[in-house]
Amino acid sequence: AQSVAQPEDQVNVAEGNPLTVKCTYSVSGNPYLFWYVQYPNRGLQFLLKYITGDNLVKGSYGFEAEFNKSQTSFHLKKPSALVSDSALYFCAVRPGAGSYQLTFGKGTKLSVIP
Amino acid sequence: GAVVSQHPSWVICKSGTSVKIECRSLDFQATTMFWYRQFPKQSLMLMATSNEGSKATYEQGVEKDKFLINHASLTLSTLTVTSAHPEDSSFYICSEGGGPSDTQYFGPGTRLTVL
Repeated sequence: AQSVAQPEDQVNVAEGNPLTVKCTYSVSGNPYLFWYVQYPNRGLQFLLKYITGDNLVKGSYGFEAEFNKSQTSFHLKKPSALVSDSALYFCAVRPGAGSYQLTFGKGTKLSVIP
Repeated sequence: GAVVSQHPSWVICKSGTSVKIECRSLDFQATTMFWYRQFPKQSLMLMATSNEGSKATYEQGVEKDKFLINHASLTLSTLTVTSAHPEDSSFYICSEGGGPSDTQYFGPGTRLTVL
């Protein structure tokens, strides 16, 4: 069975500082990994994904994530945080091609402090 | 990315009534759609996988007679909460996942409150 762990319920960072939201996963085979962001009372917005290729993936709004197979991690990063980045972030995994079913982490609330 | 809409965005109903939530894929013919439920400050829980032209596949613990799913066309899936009770109050989100991009795109969600 696949699983996703987001070890931090909340991350606080000062505006302008770099941010990291952590994610580790467990899945058999080659994983497809995703990051989504959710603003209050809204659905999920797709940020970025890793399928194959370069381990550093760049996505929307200046976010990027690095796939680390040996550590089974896919941490989300941004060099300079904005107050508008404050939201709930979800990491998700699916077990490769052929299955569209996503397994989500519990989410990490990011607060960027002005 | 794909555009998915949901209607209504919020609904308040009395206990015992049924509520229908629509999920539309606006720019893609989705053979597969997913329905999730999200409790406050929690992650998304997959309820069922909706397949166009066939019966939905429900996750363990989800009552299929209570949460009726219909996927009659490639652009529309509906979730009907039958005989709703206050414990059914939640945020329901659909997504489409049958596209070639490998990415699941989500609707804006429907807030259901059962009084």
